[in-house]
Amino acid sequence: AQSVTQLGSHVSVSEGALVLLRCNYSSSVPPYLFWYVQYPNQGLQLLLKYTSAATLVKGINGFEAEFKKSETSFHLTKPSAHMSDAAEYFCAVSDRSGSARQLTFGSGTQLTVLP
Amino acid sequence: DSGVTQTPKHLITATGQRVTLRCSPRSGDLSVYWYQQSLDQGLQFLIQYYNGEERAKGNILERFSAQQFPDLHSELNLSSLELGDSALYFCASSARTASSGNTIYFGEGSWLTVV
Repeated sequence: AQSVTQLGSHVSVSEGALVLLRCNYSSSVPPYLFWYVQYPNQGLQLLLKYTSAATLVKGINGFEAEFKKSETSFHLTKPSAHMSDAAEYFCAVSDRSGSARQLTFGSGTQLTVLP
Repeated sequence: DSGVTQTPKHLITATGQRVTLRCSPRSGDLSVYWYQQSLDQGLQFLIQYYNGEERAKGNILERFSAQQFPDLHSELNLSSLELGDSALYFCASSARTASSGNTIYFGEGSWLTVV
């Protein structure tokens, strides 16, 4: 069964600094990978997804992620943090095989942006 | 706005009671998913329906049940409620299935508090 591990339940960065949120996946075959963001008291919003096209995926709000098969990683980055980026971020995986149709989520990383 | 509508947004009920959470998927989406988000267990997949039929089951308790109706809306029924059932329940929808890489869109959730 596929799974994802998010390293660091809390990450703090200064406004304008690089944001790096880590995600490693475990899957027998290259999976579909997703990053979602959850703002306080809101639902989950898709930031970006990897579905086997380009390994560098660009998403909304200036975020991007790179799929690295050799490292089984799909880290999320943003060159310059903004106060509005403060939220909880979830990495998720879905199997390509068709036997598993749902998303499996990591435990989440709470991003704090310091002024 | 993801296009997925959930009602009610907030619900407070007593232990032992039964509640029904309702979800309207995005227009045209055939798959509906239910997830539970709690502090101790994170985001857990409960169940998925596709065009009225159950397709996948996750960590759903026997006290919980769901269905998808011909108009594609879905209901999650929670019975014999316990304090530990207090959580945020998300409904999500997609055009087909997650294994095809289609984006899963989430509603804003229904907050259930059991007292």
